[in-house]
Amino acid sequence: DGGITQSPKYLFRKEGQNVTLSCEQNLNHDAMYWYRQDPGQGLRLIYYSQIVNDFQKGDIAEGYSVSREKKESFPLTVTSAQKNPTAFYLCASSWAVTGGALDEQFFGPGTRLTVL
Amino acid sequence: KNQVEQSPQSLIILEGKNCTLQCNYTVSPFSNLRWYKQDTGRGPVSLTIMTFSENTKSNGRYTATLDADTKQSSLHITASQLSDSASYICVVSHYTNAGKSTFGDGTTLTVKP
Repeated sequence: DGGITQSPKYLFRKEGQNVTLSCEQNLNHDAMYWYRQDPGQGLRLIYYSQIVNDFQKGDIAEGYSVSREKKESFPLTVTSAQKNPTAFYLCASSWAVTGGALDEQFFGPGTRLTVL
Repeated sequence: KNQVEQSPQSLIILEGKNCTLQCNYTVSPFSNLRWYKQDTGRGPVSLTIMTFSENTKSNGRYTATLDADTKQSSLHITASQLSDSASYICVVSHYTNAGKSTFGDGTTLTVKP
């Protein structure tokens, strides 16, 4: 899991509530990512950030929001607008987004979110 | 649409045997291809990363190959161990949109004693 921490490991929320997932890295990486993983499916990109105070939507950004106020931190908020939020959420970071070897992403241990 | 197809979907082998996992992709232009190992309930761990100019990369008992002409990659595992039981994920990045990688659904490998 390298120098990336995610908390909490398990999270339960009631329908209609917003919840924020934490992601911190001490690898001095510029780029950070959030993915969602559902059983039997590949990872899907929610948001990514190449630099502080900048982020781009991924393929499934609806119902999610992020912020990147510090290089080390990239929190993800799952809002009540997300229709099916129960999933395994993975945060990752990389040195850069260049198309080359610096793109190698290092993943955190994940947060399993369950909506009750 | 950029796609990454992995085969087989699942595989069972005996400890000590070798195996090869396949990855076919349609991402073009291609930037880099990565293989990850993911244990159940944990985050993926990087095994190899190859750019378009590389055709093989090794990491211990793991050897990845890449044929950019046919858009195929394989991951060969030598002398398998019980700890190799995991999901193996192939990921391909687009040259002009490297932030948005395309992930395969993975191959689930089970190594039995």
